[in-house]
Amino acid sequence: EVQLVESGGGLVQPGGSLRLSCAASGFTFSTYSLNWVRQAPGKGLEWLSYISYGGGATHYGDSVKGRFTISRDDAKNSLFLQMNSLRAADTAVYFCARVVRGSGSYIDYWGQGMLVTVSS
Amino acid sequence: DIQMTQSPSTLSASLGDRVTISCRASQSITSRLAWYQQKPRKAPKLLIYEASTLESGVPSRFSGSGSGTEFTLTISGLQPDDFATYYCQQYNTYPYSFGQGTKLELK
Repeated sequence: EVQLVESGGGLVQPGGSLRLSCAASGFTFSTYSLNWVRQAPGKGLEWLSYISYGGGATHYGDSVKGRFTISRDDAKNSLFLQMNSLRAADTAVYFCARVVRGSGSYIDYWGQGMLVTVSS
Repeated sequence: DIQMTQSPSTLSASLGDRVTISCRASQSITSRLAWYQQKPRKAPKLLIYEASTLESGVPSRFSGSGSGTEFTLTISGLQPDDFATYYCQQYNTYPYSFGQGTKLELK
C-alpha cells in the first residue's frame, strides 16, 4: 500500500524557517517524481513544487520561488521542503504527493497533510 | 503562468441529479488536465486524468471531457458520497496550477 506521511509542521514566527519531511513507503521511491501542494485554511489547493526522480529537475510556484527548496533522499525514502522567510500567508496544510510514472505528470497519491502555522 | 478557472464555485444538487462542472485554462493545455475530489479534512483523491481517462476504481458515473482550454467534469446520478469539493489541475506547463474548486452541496 502506498503511504506518504508528512511531519515537521507546527507553529513558527514570521521570518522563521521550517523543514517539512515526507516519509514514503509501499512503492519504489527512487523511481517516482514528487510534488508539494498546500491548502490555506478554508481555501483551495495551491501547487508549490516538483522534484524529478533522481532529483535532477525541480520547479516552483511563483509564491514560494526563492524561499522554499524541495529535495529528496532516496536512501531514506524521504521528501523534504525547506521553507525560509515564512509569512502569515504561508499558513496552510502542506501535502506531499506522488506523481504518476510515465508521460503524465498528475498526482496519483497524496499524504494526509501537515499543518504549518506562521504567527507571532 | 496558466490560470485555471472553475465554474460554478458552488453547486446545489439532489441525489440522482446529473451535474456538470466547468474548468477553463487561460491558454491551451492540450489534454493535460486532472480532476480531484476532496472531502473535508481529507487529502484529495484522483478521479480523472488526461482530461477524460477514469482512474482505476473510480465509479463510472464520473466522466470528463474537453481539450485545449475548455474542460468539463460530469457526474451522472449523484450519490451521497459525491458531495464534496472538486478541483481541476493542469499539468501541461510549470508552474502547475489548480482551479479554485467547486463545492457540490446537497439541495
